[in-house]
Order: sequence, then structure tokens, then C-alpha cells
Amino acid sequence: QKEVEQDPGPLSVPEGAIVSLNCTYSNSAFQYFMWYRQYSRKGPELLMYTYSSGNKEDGRFTAQVDKSSKYISLFIRDSQPSDSATYLCAMSGYGGATNKLIFGTGTLLAVQP
Amino acid sequence: DSGVTQTPKHLITATGQRVTLRCSPRSGDLSVYWYQQSLDQGLQFLIQYYNGEERAKGNILERFSAQQFPDLHSELNLSSLELGDSALYFCASSVRGQSYEQYFGPGTRLTVT
Repeated sequence: QKEVEQDPGPLSVPEGAIVSLNCTYSNSAFQYFMWYRQYSRKGPELLMYTYSSGNKEDGRFTAQVDKSSKYISLFIRDSQPSDSATYLCAMSGYGGATNKLIFGTGTLLAVQP
Repeated sequence: DSGVTQTPKHLITATGQRVTLRCSPRSGDLSVYWYQQSLDQGLQFLIQYYNGEERAKGNILERFSAQQFPDLHSELNLSSLELGDSALYFCASSVRGQSYEQYFGPGTRLTVT
């Protein structure tokens, strides 16, 4: 079983839709939870990171972490064609052997105009 | 633009050869991370350096090595190249030694023929 599981998609939505992207994980030592956006053949771009459980909002993006369920989500409101990309979740612990980013395989999102 | 630079952008070489990939971190960042991204393996952590010292190792092959220089730029050396080493290689940097909040460069696309 992989430490981080992510539905690869592809996910296709109409412009203006609310998008929900999710990851599950198995390592209870994870403390930091990140979402990256990667356009084709480009480097991953950090969208936001969250420490421990809770919500974090940045513009049209909201990240949620539920450590009790080992489940994280990224919501995109009013999705735009420019949001079409692969979204990668990533997580790490704090210090020692857990201080390395473990990535999900990514979800390919297509927002149709 | 993340502020992380990588050279070259593309590299085509033959099996058995050796190549060197270069990375300059964001100004002020002390940590450098190397990742390999292939279609079947996703984004895999290779190695981390912090202020010139090796900090963490991931799935890095013995044929691969890296170092971080006093000016904080880093080089990843890949030797005895095999067809399976063809991939995107990314460098990322962060301010401190913790893995969260990493910023990625544009990557080097390596093709081994």
C-alpha cells in the first residue's frame, strides 16, 4: 500500500464548477500537507500548505485536513480553464526520517470553457 | 517564476554516459532537494542538502550522486546511464531544513537513447 493515495482522474468539469480533489494517507506521522499544481512539462507550483488539521483558504482555493480520517482535500471555486493542470498532494512529518515530501500520483484536471 | 533555476533544460545522451545537472536555489534558501519524475513512478524524492551537508536520502541509486557547494548551488551527477533513467529531474529549495514549503525549478528533461 502506498503511503499517499490520490485518484489520478482525469477529472473534467465545466467552467465555473466547484472542484474537489482528495488524497488519503496512511502515515500518522505526517504533520504538513501541501498542494502543488503542475502544468504540462513544468515544475510543480506550491499552492498552499497546512499544518495539522483544519482549513486554509487562499482566494478560490480551500485546503482541508482531517487527520482523524487521514484525508485531505483541495476545493477550487469558480474553476477557470487556466486551472487545467495536474494537482499533486504532498505531505511530510517534522524532523528525522519523516522530513521528506511524499507525493501523491497527481489528479489531472480539465476545466472546459 | 519560483526563483529556482535549473540547467540545462533538455539533455539527450547515450546509455553508459555521465551527465551533470545544475540547480541554483532561491535567494536565501539553504536547502536543496532533488526529485525524479517519470510517467510510471510519479515524483520521487532523491536527496536533500542543507547548507552544504547531506540531510536526507530517498530512492537515489548508487549511480547517482549530488553535492551542494559553498555558494549553495547544487549538482546532481548521473552516471552509467540506462534507458530507464530518462525522466524529468527537478530541483527544489526551501529556507530551512524542513520539507514543507518547497519551491520547484523548471526541471531538466533527460533522454537516454
